[in-house]
Amino acid sequence: DGGITQSPKYLFRKEGQNVTLSCEQNLNHDAMYWYRQDPGQGLRLIYYSQIVNDFQKGDIAEGYSVSREKKESFPLTVTSAQKNPTAFYLCASNFGPENSPLHFGNGTRLTVT
Amino acid sequence: GQQVMQIPQYQHVQEGEDFTTYCNSSTTLSNIQWYKQRPGGHPVFLIQLVKSGEVKKQKRLTFQFGEAKKNSSLHITATQTTDVGTYFCRTGGFKTIFGAGTRLFVKA
Repeated sequence: DGGITQSPKYLFRKEGQNVTLSCEQNLNHDAMYWYRQDPGQGLRLIYYSQIVNDFQKGDIAEGYSVSREKKESFPLTVTSAQKNPTAFYLCASNFGPENSPLHFGNGTRLTVT
Repeated sequence: GQQVMQIPQYQHVQEGEDFTTYCNSSTTLSNIQWYKQRPGGHPVFLIQLVKSGEVKKQKRLTFQFGEAKKNSSLHITATQTTDVGTYFCRTGGFKTIFGAGTRLFVKA
């Protein structure tokens, strides 16, 4: 079955460490996205990529980095520069055009202490 | 820039009561999508509205897009405990905008 896989489901890190969240999709989608969700909050866009080897900053890109070396993969690195990294991170993908619905992965819950 | 306001933030209902959430934009929208996120889960696409005044139904759910394409609503008739979750609207292009969501609580 096609879908988006995020791993791991839960991640714990010490403050000051960089951490990379994995996102893989086999839906043949061109566009991929990273969102951050805080408790009781909506979804805020971190980065998005419309095509391989290209990505754009979203609304809250500071302290994060991404790469898009393959169509299927869009890993997100949470760097030590991110002041409040503890959150629920959701990866999504779609065929790219504005009207295309987003498909989400199950998310990674990151806790930094 | 474009802003989307979703109201109410929370809604508590008794099972069997109706529920409505509204999504209001400061600018004209090209389209709007609705998603549902169950507690602890991820958002799941429900429907997309594109045309002015469009109304779509999915069983007990009714979705409307305003005539001016600046607002939209999701109405659930006779809520059930399975309707519990947060309902989000989404609009925009690649740099999409999600509403803050309406969290629905249903008491059996």
